[in-house]
Amino acid sequence: DIVMTQSPDSLAVSLGERATINCKSSQSVLYSSNSENYLAWFQQKPGQPPKLLIYWASTRESGVPDRFSGSGSGTDFTLTISSLQAEDVAVYYCLQYYSSPWTFGQGTKVEIK
Amino acid sequence: QVQLQQWGTRLLKPSETLSLTCAAKGGSFNGYYWSWIRQPPGKGLEWIGEINHSGSTNYNPSLKSRVTISVDTSKNQFSLKLNSVTAADTAVYYCTRGTVPAVPIDLWGQGTLVTVSS
Repeated sequence: DIVMTQSPDSLAVSLGERATINCKSSQSVLYSSNSENYLAWFQQKPGQPPKLLIYWASTRESGVPDRFSGSGSGTDFTLTISSLQAEDVAVYYCLQYYSSPWTFGQGTKVEIK
Repeated sequence: QVQLQQWGTRLLKPSETLSLTCAAKGGSFNGYYWSWIRQPPGKGLEWIGEINHSGSTNYNPSLKSRVTISVDTSKNQFSLKLNSVTAADTAVYYCTRGTVPAVPIDLWGQGTLVTVSS
């Protein structure tokens, strides 16, 4: 199984400041035939199912605010919230869907400082 | 607007079989992958397995010996069965839809808390 490791486990950021979450996979999730990274990011608020933010490492899902961006390739990925808003308080998960079984990172809790 | 509605047994005793069903309301069933994902209380997410409209399945090896995912395309439904449950199977279970290869999960059910307790 591909192990996904997120860092940090939690972070507190002031409103309007940048939040950065890292995700590292134990092996590459870059598919050579189409040059796409099979890495997604989800946001989960309490009592709700997760919501897709980013797929293919950097493609924003329709309707997701552009303050959310994804970057990285191979084994190292980053989710950036450029200007944290109050409604962004949540747990964020990365997911690799390059190979079965799909595996999630352990989650990163984002709070307001 | 497609919605996933899920239902099933919420309280089980150890060794019983968990059974959940998910219906895709208001949209096409074909051409997507349908998965089950679970989340123990206060913990992270675990992918259980997937099925497509043709019935082709793929399971997490950690659960493979106990899991069956099936599909009923006439009803736009798919189901999860997990046998020989223990307290470790207590979790919120989600059904999901994906458009592999690009989008692994773009739609989630509301989630069902399944508790295993003697």
